[in-house]
Amino acid sequence: DAKTTQPTSMDCAEGRAANLPCNHSTISGNEYVYWYRQIHSQGPQYIIHGLKNNETNEMASLIITEDRKSSTLILPHATLRDTAVYYCIVRVDPNTGFQKLVFGTGTRLLVSP
Amino acid sequence: DAGVTQSPTHLIKTRGQQVTLRCSPKSGHDTVSWYQQALGQGPQFIFQYYEEEERQRGNFPDRFSGHQFPNYSSELNVNALLLGDSALYLCASSLVVGTRFDEQFFGPGTRLTVL
Repeated sequence: DAKTTQPTSMDCAEGRAANLPCNHSTISGNEYVYWYRQIHSQGPQYIIHGLKNNETNEMASLIITEDRKSSTLILPHATLRDTAVYYCIVRVDPNTGFQKLVFGTGTRLLVSP
Repeated sequence: DAGVTQSPTHLIKTRGQQVTLRCSPKSGHDTVSWYQQALGQGPQFIFQYYEEEERQRGNFPDRFSGHQFPNYSSELNVNALLLGDSALYLCASSLVVGTRFDEQFFGPGTRLTVL
């Protein structure tokens, strides 16, 4: 599995957009970018994933650079409940069989009033 | 629709003892994965079960073993507990086939403390 690097921590004001970067310079052509988050004392929660096109769902947007070596998770209007550790993960095509998630240490996002 | 459930919530054991943790997957899911999360670290993959067989294993010693039952629920067993086994143990369930992608749903975890 390709390795990812993320900032250790970030701050964001409530109501503003939170932009969380992730570097994955060794990503392979068949590897997807996944984002999970873990709110304190809970299990990780899936947010979004993508291959090479930008993706958006009800929780967030994912912007992947054209060379696929980095990506940004965007929470458009951060709330206090978005305070969590955010994990960027790369993994092979999820439709090719049994999968595991390889977590790094993630980015601790603190949303303040 | 119940999500992933784990029991017990908390557990305290002493060194050398054995422990069994339990997981019930989300309704409709057939695959269970176990992860260990030490304080301040991301979850680390232990192993994954499908059709009652271990399909993948992470870098964990044989003291860690598991089982999956016909109803897809699973157990994680750890023998000869060490202080370093103190961690949050997470169970995740997913569906191998029939889905567009393999989104894993995590339970709340079992907090194991080894004294």
